[in-house]
Amino acid sequence: NAGVTQTPKFQVLKTGQSMTLQCAQDMNHNSMYWYRQDPGMGLRLIYYSASEGTTDKGEVPNGYNVSRLNKREFSLRLESAAPSQTSVYFCASSEIQGALGVGYTFGSGTRLTVV
Amino acid sequence: DAKTTQPNSMESNEEEPVHLPCNHSTISGTDYIHWYRQLPSQGPEYVIHGLTSNVNNRMASLAIAEDRKSSTLILHRATLRDAAVYYCILREKYNNDMRFGAGTRLTVKP
Repeated sequence: NAGVTQTPKFQVLKTGQSMTLQCAQDMNHNSMYWYRQDPGMGLRLIYYSASEGTTDKGEVPNGYNVSRLNKREFSLRLESAAPSQTSVYFCASSEIQGALGVGYTFGSGTRLTVV
Repeated sequence: DAKTTQPNSMESNEEEPVHLPCNHSTISGTDYIHWYRQLPSQGPEYVIHGLTSNVNNRMASLAIAEDRKSSTLILHRATLRDAAVYYCILREKYNNDMRFGAGTRLTVKP
């Protein structure tokens, strides 16, 4: 049982380069999320998709775009990477939105460094 | 979501119970109390959640104060594998924006 799979696990970018972080879940969950975690800090929500075909901004959306490709996949794109985007990125999914259901399932993260 | 306050760090001895406190004095009637933990170099892992009544599952117990202004996550017998950062989070019923604070870093000593 794979759960939430993120690729790549590590990436180094130069300032101004673009890249897409991929996330896929195999639990038939409706909602998916992207978070970032800076060193020594808690997670902050970037974007989320409550259901297939919808996306919404979270706490820190600037500099990012997302695509909910289908029910399984939710990608995060950095169009022009900046050093401030150096972070660990986590994707998560949940069966239903909000607090009613059980918790989120998180992937193992993508460690991104922008130089 | 309303804010929570947790101690920055706690220590425990292996095989002893651990009580991790969380204060949430501004909790609203529709806020659920969720707990997650994050092991080193891993993504967060759901532990338990509740609304008003105490809850038990295979990982832990959640004790909620009668006025709901505080809660306690209880690990009944700490193991070295329980060393992690534990997050207490309040979630409104239909709110997707789950906000993680700094959490409590639990150290378990052999």
